[in-house]
Amino acid sequence: ELQLVESGGGLEQPGRSLRLSCAASGFNFDDFAMHWVRQAPGKGLEWVSGLSWNSDAKGYADSVKGRFTISRDNAKNSLFLQMNSLRPEDTAFYFCVREMTSNTSSGAGSWFDPWGRGTLVTVSS
Amino acid sequence: SYELTQPPSVSVSPGQTARIICSGDALPIQFAYWYQQKPGQAPVLVIYRDTERPSGIPERFSGSSSGTIATLTISGVQAEDEADYHCQSADSSGTSPWVFGGGTKLTVL
Repeated sequence: ELQLVESGGGLEQPGRSLRLSCAASGFNFDDFAMHWVRQAPGKGLEWVSGLSWNSDAKGYADSVKGRFTISRDNAKNSLFLQMNSLRPEDTAFYFCVREMTSNTSSGAGSWFDPWGRGTLVTVSS
Repeated sequence: SYELTQPPSVSVSPGQTARIICSGDALPIQFAYWYQQKPGQAPVLVIYRDTERPSGIPERFSGSSSGTIATLTISGVQAEDEADYHCQSADSSGTSPWVFGGGTKLTVL
């Protein structure tokens, strides 16, 4: 069964750090790019960061660039998000997601499937 | 930055057809993807590449796209379909591949 399980969330003060982890199972982890997507309470979804299968390519949303670092350990089927200089606006559920891609004569595209259950990060003094 | 626009809410009675739209300037050249999110749960993919339905998703869920509008259609809506629905797509250049709409709350009356 495909499964992504996040951990590491919690309550932290502004300016401090948190490290999120995601444990993957049920698929060949090192065949896929992985991402973090967040959702502030009562709000929509926001892509945060993504990392290629071999860690050669990574990207960040402007809102977290320079503060968050994504990484992975393929030997341990794990994805991480180091979150530094936390701000109240970082408060959200953080979901670990697998990237799926297709490239056919009809065109190319990518989407997320499956999603983990998420871990809640609360930034407040 | 690129934006996808969805109506905040849609309401239908059981058995009726619900249509949820997603508007974006790049939709004529980019695929749309749809996720269902029930309260307290993670999103689940229900439509990919405009019209494709993943295995395990009921046939009453379908997708279409024309011009700058992508549409998620739920035929014969059931009470269990009450959820938030999020569209996702990319900007015209593909430099922002994972942009989400604001989400639409589907209420089954």
